[in-house]
Amino acid sequence: DAGVTQSPTHLIKTRGQQVTLRCSPKSGHDTVSWYQQALGQGPQFIFQYYEEEERQRGNFPDRFSGHQFPNYSSELNVNALLLGDSALYLCASKNTRPDRSRAKNIQYFGAGTRLSVL
Amino acid sequence: DQQVKQNSPSLSVQEGRISILNCDYTNSMFDYFLWYKKYPAEGPTFLISISSIKDKNEDGRFTVFLNKSAKHLSLHIVPSQPGDSAVYFCAAKGSGGTSYGKLTFGQGTILTVHP
Repeated sequence: DAGVTQSPTHLIKTRGQQVTLRCSPKSGHDTVSWYQQALGQGPQFIFQYYEEEERQRGNFPDRFSGHQFPNYSSELNVNALLLGDSALYLCASKNTRPDRSRAKNIQYFGAGTRLSVL
Repeated sequence: DQQVKQNSPSLSVQEGRISILNCDYTNSMFDYFLWYKKYPAEGPTFLISISSIKDKNEDGRFTVFLNKSAKHLSLHIVPSQPGDSAVYFCAAKGSGGTSYGKLTFGQGTILTVHP
C-alpha cells in the first residue's frame, strides 16, 4: 500500500521562475492538501482540493495555485518565485468519507519537495 | 497570529523516563487535535489524536491529554526510547468557517532521548 508520494524531492530555481510540484495521494484517499514548511517552523496550510476543486485556502497569494486530477493526484504551481518561497513543500491526503469517522480527520503526509530559490 | 503554540523548542530526556510535550491553542473552533512526529528528510508521521469531546486518548506508550478549559494539550511518552528522538508537532483541525478542515500546526518541539 503506497503512501503519499511527492516529486521531485529537491528543486533549485531562480527568482521569477515558475515551478510545479506533484503529489499522489495514499491509496483510497480523495482529498489533498498542500503545506509550506519554512526552516524551524511548523507546516503552514496553503490549500485543499477535493473533487477537483479548491475547497479551502490559507493565507497565501494568488501566485500559489493548484489542481486536482480525476485520479485524485494533485499539482502545486508557484509563479514569479521569490527568495522567500524557499521551503519544504508537503502534500497530505485523507479520505473524506471513510468507514470510521475518526479517520476523516487524519491527514497523511509525503516526504516533501525541498525548493530552493536563488 | 499563532493559534497553536509549542513553547518549548526542545526537550531532553533520559531513556526509560517520561517525556511530556506541551501545546497551547487559542481558537475555540478547533474540534480535533493531532500529534505528528518528524524525522529529518521525512514527512510528518501521524502519531496519535484526540477529539475535543474527550480528555484522554491512549495508544501504547503514547497518551494525549486535552484540557479544553485551559486550551492545552500534552503528549506523554512512557517509557521514552532513543528511537523517539524527533521533532514533534501539535496540530489542530478547525470545525467551521475559514478554519474548516485545515490543520494548524505549532512550531514543533525537538525531543532528544539519551541512552
